[in-house]
Amino acid sequence: GAVVSQHPSWVICKSGTSVKIECRSLDFQATTMFWYRQFPKQSLMLMATSNEGSKATYEQGVEKDKFLINHASLTLSTLTVTSAHPEDSSFYICSATLSDYGYTFGSGTRLTVV
Amino acid sequence: KQEVTQIPAALSVPEGENLVLNCSFTDSAIYNLQWFRQDPGKGLTSLLLIQSSQREQTSGRLNASLDKSSGRSTLYIAASQPGDSATYLCAARTDKLIFGTGTRLQVFP
Repeated sequence: GAVVSQHPSWVICKSGTSVKIECRSLDFQATTMFWYRQFPKQSLMLMATSNEGSKATYEQGVEKDKFLINHASLTLSTLTVTSAHPEDSSFYICSATLSDYGYTFGSGTRLTVV
Repeated sequence: KQEVTQIPAALSVPEGENLVLNCSFTDSAIYNLQWFRQDPGKGLTSLLLIQSSQREQTSGRLNASLDKSSGRSTLYIAASQPGDSATYLCAARTDKLIFGTGTRLQVFP
């Protein structure tokens, strides 16, 4: 149990366009999901906490107008990178937690902005 | 603010060696600590989860210990194999899950 599906696994987009990444909890309801970002050879940095039915909580230094998070249902959270630039190229990964079973992560999305 | 550090940053060993990976965290008020494995370009695979009330967890050749009061956890890998080559991440959970800096492990035949 506790499977998180993330889509797409990779995407290439042009500068100035927007990209949407989906994160779904397949076999459980997740009132809270988390979005992380990982640069090459670095660890995962928490970007924001996504709360079902309310606004996301962003970490310090993360632009909420650039990284739009929507958590409209108990099984789906989306991250939209708006007006993407090459410096937004990174590995984005979502996660959810099922009580005390720890965090389960999606397989990640590699975004390349050209 | 929770800070999680892992030592060593990188490790290269011959097959068969027993390994110890270290993780330290600054805020000891954690709910649990989780160890993950990440293969290059891939997502995370959860290895072991230790609740704050527990001292250790074991799965196969892996053993993780937790000393909450001193802010430390170790991951012990017995009889390492080339297939163990990956980056190992620890993560401490308070109201958020904060990741360590990672240890890149290479096990050569």
